[in-house]
Amino acid sequence: EVVLTQSPVTLSLSPGERATLSCRASQSVSSSFLAWYQHKPGQAPILLIYGASNRATGVPHRFSGSGSGTDFTLTISRLEPEDFAVYFCQQYGTSPMTFGQGTKVEIK
Amino acid sequence: EVQLVESGGGLIQPGRSLRLSCVASGFTFDVYGMHWVRQAPGKGLEWVSGISTDSANIIYADSVKGRFTISRDNAKNSLHLQMNSLRPDDTALYYCAARRRGGDPFDYWGQGTLVTVSS
Repeated sequence: EVVLTQSPVTLSLSPGERATLSCRASQSVSSSFLAWYQHKPGQAPILLIYGASNRATGVPHRFSGSGSGTDFTLTISRLEPEDFAVYFCQQYGTSPMTFGQGTKVEIK
Repeated sequence: EVQLVESGGGLIQPGRSLRLSCVASGFTFDVYGMHWVRQAPGKGLEWVSGISTDSANIIYADSVKGRFTISRDNAKNSLHLQMNSLRPDDTALYYCAARRRGGDPFDYWGQGTLVTVSS
């Protein structure tokens, strides 16, 4: 199965700063079938990015995804207070689908 | 408003059975493939099982194959997971999730229901 490794585990930043999250795959992700989700405690995860770089409906433009093959990045251009959460990546191109361990973006 | 609401979790002894349910609202349930995904304490997410819109195609993770059974009732907008022969390593928060097609990410998730397998 495709192992996804996210880094860093925790990112401590202040509102207004730029966040850069990494997701590295153990093998090439088919057709960039890579998604990013935001997850807050006690809430349902929310789809942010699909196809590595496509924003889901209603997702603010400060969220962007990039990458291909085995290296993918989620960037939050300027952190808003509501952006502090856990972010995880998912590959859905190879069965079984797999997930990264998550990166927690916390307030510095 | 889209909602997926899981229920049925709890504390259960090893070897016993439990049935999870997920009720959907706010979207056309019968055009979405449905899945169960779990997260053990301190671990990442693990896909568990998936079922197609018409229940014709069903798949399981190797870790639950032969013990878990997924099913859906489109008339009741509901998804179920029958979990038999439960083991301590099945302890996790179980989420239901929805996606349109096999090549899609999950559009919707629930908030999860906690299953604790312990004597």
